[in-house]
Amino acid sequence: GEDVEQSLFLSVREGDSSVINCTYTDSSSTYLYWYKQEPGAGLQLLTYIFSNMDMKQDQRLTVLLNKKDKHLSLRIADTQTGDSAIYFCAERDTGRRALTFGSGTRLQVQP
Amino acid sequence: GAVVSQHPSRVICKSGTSVKIECRSLDFQATTMFWYRQFPKQSLMLMATSNEGSKATYEQGVEKDKFLINHASLTLSTLTVTSAHPEDSSFYICSAREQGRNEQYFGPGTRLTVT
Repeated sequence: GEDVEQSLFLSVREGDSSVINCTYTDSSSTYLYWYKQEPGAGLQLLTYIFSNMDMKQDQRLTVLLNKKDKHLSLRIADTQTGDSAIYFCAERDTGRRALTFGSGTRLQVQP
Repeated sequence: GAVVSQHPSRVICKSGTSVKIECRSLDFQATTMFWYRQFPKQSLMLMATSNEGSKATYEQGVEKDKFLINHASLTLSTLTVTSAHPEDSSFYICSAREQGRNEQYFGPGTRLTVT
């Protein structure tokens, strides 16, 4: 079955870049997603990437995909205190409509 | 992005009663909706997938007679927790996807507390 793993915690200083990493096991994954969850709230879709892409950039967010190593990363440039949240990576393969989520990475931004 | 709403945002009920949670897609037609459950400081666990007008597909270990899902229209799915028990207390989140699109949007979640 699918398995998605993330590190649990990341702490950065305001203004620095944050890099959140994710690994997945399903070789048939076609779409990989990043979501942000603030306390007590639902998930906000940040971005997603198709598996035939290596990189996708959207304003302060850069997603890098290494298909060979099944490694996905989310880079947040100029991290702000408002970026403090839990970030989930998720994958979807061609045979499923639902997403499989990682455990989430708690990002703490220190002023 | 598209908006998905949930109602109620919080509910407290007594053990043995039933609770209905609504999930609505506000500005798109959701041919597929998903219901997840999230325990504190944990990830999301998929409970079931529902398609408009057909029976929901439940994940292994999820009791379909306890968690009733109805997807009667392209903008509304409901989850009814029947005969709720304290162990059903959790954060329930729905998500919706429009046919042919890759984005999956999530509702704000419903915090259920069973006393």
